[in-house]
Amino acid sequence: DIVMTQGALPNPVPSGESASITCQSSKSLLHSNGKTYLNWYLQRPGQSPQLLIYWMSTRASGVSDRFSGSGSGTDFTLKISSVEAEDVGVYYCQQFLEYPRTFGGGTKLELK
Amino acid sequence: EVQLVESGGGLVQPGASLKLSCVASGFTFSDYWMSWVRQTPGKTMEWIGDIKYDGSYTNYAPSLKNRFTISRDNAKSTLYLQMSNVRSEDTATYYCTKFAYWGQGTLVTVSS
Repeated sequence: DIVMTQGALPNPVPSGESASITCQSSKSLLHSNGKTYLNWYLQRPGQSPQLLIYWMSTRASGVSDRFSGSGSGTDFTLKISSVEAEDVGVYYCQQFLEYPRTFGGGTKLELK
Repeated sequence: EVQLVESGGGLVQPGASLKLSCVASGFTFSDYWMSWVRQTPGKTMEWIGDIKYDGSYTNYAPSLKNRFTISRDNAKSTLYLQMSNVRSEDTATYYCTKFAYWGQGTLVTVSS
C-alpha cells in the first residue's frame, strides 16, 4: 500500500497569515499521463470532508483561490493564503493512483 | 444538487452483520463509480472500496475484503455496504462518496 505521511502545523495560526501543510507519499503519484493522483480534503468540525484540490493542483468547484496545491511526485504542499476562521479543521491528503486508496493521518489547523 | 444520504448505522454486537445504504440524488447515479470510506473515532480515514457504475466490478481494502461487500441498485440510485462478522475496530462513521461529494455519514458502533 502507498503510505501517506502528513506534517503538523505550528498551531495556532494567526488570522490573515499563510499556512502550508505538507504530505509525503511512499511512492511517486505521477502517472505516465502527466497527472499526479493526489487529493486534498478539508473536514470542518462536525462536517463531512470537502474536496479542495485534485490532480495535486486543480481546485475543486467553488473552492476559494486562497487554496493552492503543488509538489513533485512524492512531496506535496497545500498552501492557504490569508487564513480565515472558515479554514479551521483537519486537512487530509489522499492518493488515488493505486488501490487501495490511502489517506494521510490528517493535519489540524487552529486559528489564533 | 448532489445529495448522498447514508442510513443503517447503529449499535451492533460483535460478530453480527449490518447493511448500510446510501441513497443518491442530483446526478445520474448509474454513470458513476461510487465508494465507501470510514472514519474512526480517532479521526483516521480508511478507504473501504468502490464499485463500477454498472456494478460489474469492485475493489476493496485488502484488510476488509473478506468481510465487507459493496453493491448497488441503479434503479433505486442506492449504494450498499454489507458488513459481516463485525468487530470493535469497525466502530466508525461510514461515508459514501462520489469523488468530490460525500454524504453526512452514518455511525456504526460495535459493542456488546
